[in-house]
Amino acid sequence: GAVVSQHPSRVICKSGTSVKIECRSLDFQATTMFWYRQFPKQSLMLMATSNEGSKATYEQGVEKDKFLINHASLTLSTLTVTSAHPEDSSFYICSARSGEWEKLFFGSGTQLSVL
Amino acid sequence: QKEVEQNSGPLSVPEGAIASLNCTYSDRGSQSFFWYRQYSGKSPELIMSIYSNGDKEDGRFTAQLNKASQYVSLLIRDSQPSDSATYLCAPSLGSARQLTFGSGTQLTVLP
Repeated sequence: GAVVSQHPSRVICKSGTSVKIECRSLDFQATTMFWYRQFPKQSLMLMATSNEGSKATYEQGVEKDKFLINHASLTLSTLTVTSAHPEDSSFYICSARSGEWEKLFFGSGTQLSVL
Repeated sequence: QKEVEQNSGPLSVPEGAIASLNCTYSDRGSQSFFWYRQYSGKSPELIMSIYSNGDKEDGRFTAQLNKASQYVSLLIRDSQPSDSATYLCAPSLGSARQLTFGSGTQLTVLP
């Protein structure tokens, strides 16, 4: 399967700081990338969909000014959690697809802990 | 009604038994169906895909699809403790749409 790399795998930060998470497709061009958040023992919650070169589409209830998404190239998307607070602590996962693919390939996830 | 429904479990089976995971979906426009496995603290990994009615076998895994009943299932034969994970069902409405994930079924295979 296709490889999606996500970094960092774990980050601990102080409240009020910003955290950037990178998601890279290593062996294919990701025309679409998705960002999910997952709280313990809950399912994946889609936060936003990003297409290369265009603005991300955010799901209802997700603050676009707090969760900044950039998909500047066909292999890289970033999620920046701005002014993080303890309630933002969660497992953030990116996924990617290419062209006509329907299946998604996931990054390894980032566990964010905000103190 | 949820778009994708799965029995949340936990489902426990003894080692060597068959584990049966079920999923129903509401959108009849769903064209393709995917099963993902997620270990605790890890991201999902794709284990099976099925596109037409009937059975599809891949090693110890068999996916079954019945579009008329809007039902898809995953059978795991000769279950192993390493199969213990949460299994997510994800129908697709096509490549232009994002996958909709069920809440997952937690499977525990007892040694």
